[in-house]
Amino acid sequence: GENVEQHPSTLSVQEGDSAVIKCTYSDSASNYFPWYKQELGKRPQLIIDIRSNVGEKKDQRIAVTLNKTAKHFSLHITETQPEDSAVYFCAASIGYSGGYQKVTFGTGTKLQVIP
Amino acid sequence: SQTIHQWPATLVQPVGSPLSLECTVEGTSNPNLYWYRQAAGRGLQLLFYSVGIGQISSEVPQNLSASRPQDRQFILSSKKLLLSDSGFYLCAGEARSGTQYFGPGTRLLVL
Repeated sequence: GENVEQHPSTLSVQEGDSAVIKCTYSDSASNYFPWYKQELGKRPQLIIDIRSNVGEKKDQRIAVTLNKTAKHFSLHITETQPEDSAVYFCAASIGYSGGYQKVTFGTGTKLQVIP
Repeated sequence: SQTIHQWPATLVQPVGSPLSLECTVEGTSNPNLYWYRQAAGRGLQLLFYSVGIGQISSEVPQNLSASRPQDRQFILSSKKLLLSDSGFYLCAGEARSGTQYFGPGTRLLVL
């Protein structure tokens, strides 16, 4: 089955600096890659996603890049703010017949933005 | 857009007691639904998914079961809880885009 590895497990940056989180996946059939942000005690919330036919996507301070050949994708947060502090999960998804999506999550990165 | 409801929000149960967690969905019909478990400080583990009424698939062997008695209702159950069942249980629904959106979760502590 699919295996998603995520690094680093913890990341501390100064406010205003950039943060980068990297993930690799194993199954070339994965075609959808969402990123979730989870604040302490709350549900994961989608912050950005990318499909396999796109190499890069940007939404304000957040961007995601995908390298299908190397099977890796990354989340980039620029001009970090204290409210960016949270756990971030990457995921790789495969669509099956009948509409079922098998989503495999990374192990998470705890981001701390120091004011 | 769809909204996922879960209850209860928190639950403390003794070992060996039964469990029933409920998830309901608004704003869509015939959604694919998923149950995940998140242990403290860990990632998300897929437990069950359902593509329709009465259709349940299990991802991992375990002490839990799931049922889907209605189109927008997904229930997670156990006959006898174990200490290892403690965790944060999240129900997710799937949008047409394939994106999964999570409910608020149920925090379960088994003592």
